[in-house]
Amino acid sequence: EVQLVESGGGLVQPGGSLRLSCATSGFTFRSQWMGWVRQAPGKGLEWVADIKGDESEKTYADSLKGRFTISRDNAKNSLYLQMNSLTVDDTAVYYCAREYFRAYGPWGQGILVTVSS
Amino acid sequence: EIVLTQSPATLSLSPGQRATLSCRASQSVGTYLGWYQQKPGQAPRLLIYGASTRATGIPARFSGSGSGTDFTLTISSLEPEDFAVYYCQQRNSWPITFGQGTRLEIK
Repeated sequence: EVQLVESGGGLVQPGGSLRLSCATSGFTFRSQWMGWVRQAPGKGLEWVADIKGDESEKTYADSLKGRFTISRDNAKNSLYLQMNSLTVDDTAVYYCAREYFRAYGPWGQGILVTVSS
Repeated sequence: EIVLTQSPATLSLSPGQRATLSCRASQSVGTYLGWYQQKPGQAPRLLIYGASTRATGIPARFSGSGSGTDFTLTISSLEPEDFAVYYCQQRNSWPITFGQGTRLEIK
């Protein structure tokens, strides 16, 4: 069974940093594109970033303006999202997801990031 | 950036009825279009990929169609558990984009 479990969320002050992790199992992690998607409270889904299996390609939403960095450790079957210079607009549930035939499936359960003073 | 516009925003139907949800792209996405279901407090679940292929474990009452710029998700006979929010998503080109969602509610 494919499983993805996010961790590392919580409350952070504006201007702070946070690193999210996504532990995976049940599939050949190193072969798969992976991504992060977020959802602000009461809002729709917003794509954040994608990374190729061998880390040779990374893409980001323009709105992040270089503040976020996606990475992975194929030896640990884990995906990461380093988030810097956080603002209140970054408050959201963050999901990691496996790329599957140019879609995302499955998704992790999500982790809440709250940016507030 | 490819903009996906879903309609209607809200759809009110009764169990047993047929639901038709639309997703229109601002430019062609070929068949790189996925559909997701999201229930309150849960992560999105992949229903359809490649515009028309059901994901593993998805009931046959869910079907997808379309190519290019116009896509449809059809639920042939609504079950109580189908009332949720549905999103389309394109992965033809970056940035990846989602539609704003259609809320399917019980009438």
